[in-house]
Amino acid sequence: EDQVTQSPEALRLQEGESSSLNCSYTVSGLRGLFWYRQDPGKGPEFLFTLYSAGEEKEKERLKATLTKKESFLHITAPKPEDSATYLCAVQEVSDSGYALNFGKGTSLLVTP
Amino acid sequence: EAQVTQNPRYLITVTGKKLTVTCSQNMNHEYMSWYRQDPGLGLRQIYYSMNVEATDKGDVPEGYKVSRKEKRNFPLILESPSPNQTSLYFCASSSTGLLGVTGELFFGEGSRLTVL
Repeated sequence: EDQVTQSPEALRLQEGESSSLNCSYTVSGLRGLFWYRQDPGKGPEFLFTLYSAGEEKEKERLKATLTKKESFLHITAPKPEDSATYLCAVQEVSDSGYALNFGKGTSLLVTP
Repeated sequence: EAQVTQNPRYLITVTGKKLTVTCSQNMNHEYMSWYRQDPGLGLRQIYYSMNVEATDKGDVPEGYKVSRKEKRNFPLILESPSPNQTSLYFCASSSTGLLGVTGELFFGEGSRLTVL
C-alpha cells in the first residue's frame, strides 16, 4: 500500500480557474511533508515544507496546507506557467530521519 | 550558483557494458541520494549517502553501486546494465540539521539512460 497518494493524476484548468491538488498520507509519525514542482525534462524543485497540522505556507499563487491525514496545494488564479507536475513527499519519524516517500504526482495543465 | 550537476544527461548503451553516471554538488551538503523515475511508479530511491564513506541502500538498489570518496561527488555505477534499468535518473543533495536530513532536496537535471 502506498504511503503517499496524490489526486487527481492529471488536472486541466483554464487560466484564472482556481483549484486544489490533494496529497493523502499514511505514516505513523510525520516528520515533514514536502511539495515539489517538476517541469518536463527537469529535476524536481522544492516548494514548501509543512511540519504540523494546521500549518500553511504560501508562494505567489500557491498555498499549501496540512491536516493530520492530507495536504492540499491550492492554486489561485493559475497562469499557463504554472503548468507542471506537482509532487508530494513525506518524511516519517525514524531513527535515521532521512527517507522521503514520494507520491506519483499530479500533472497540471493550465490553458490560456 | 547552487547546483547539482549530473553527467551524462543522455546515454544509450547495450546490455552488460559498465557505465557510470557522475553527480557533483557545490553546496557542501552532507546528504546525497540517487533516484530513478519511471512512468506510473514515481520517484524511487536507489542509494543514499549521509557523508563521505557512508552509503546505504534505498528501496531499489539491485544492479547499482555507489561510492562517496569526496563530499561533493556521488557517482552511480551500473556494473552490468540491463534493459530494466532504462529510466530517468536523478541525483539529489540536502543539508543535515539537528534532527537529521531535511526533506528540502536539491535535484540535478536528470540523466536519461536507455539500455538496449
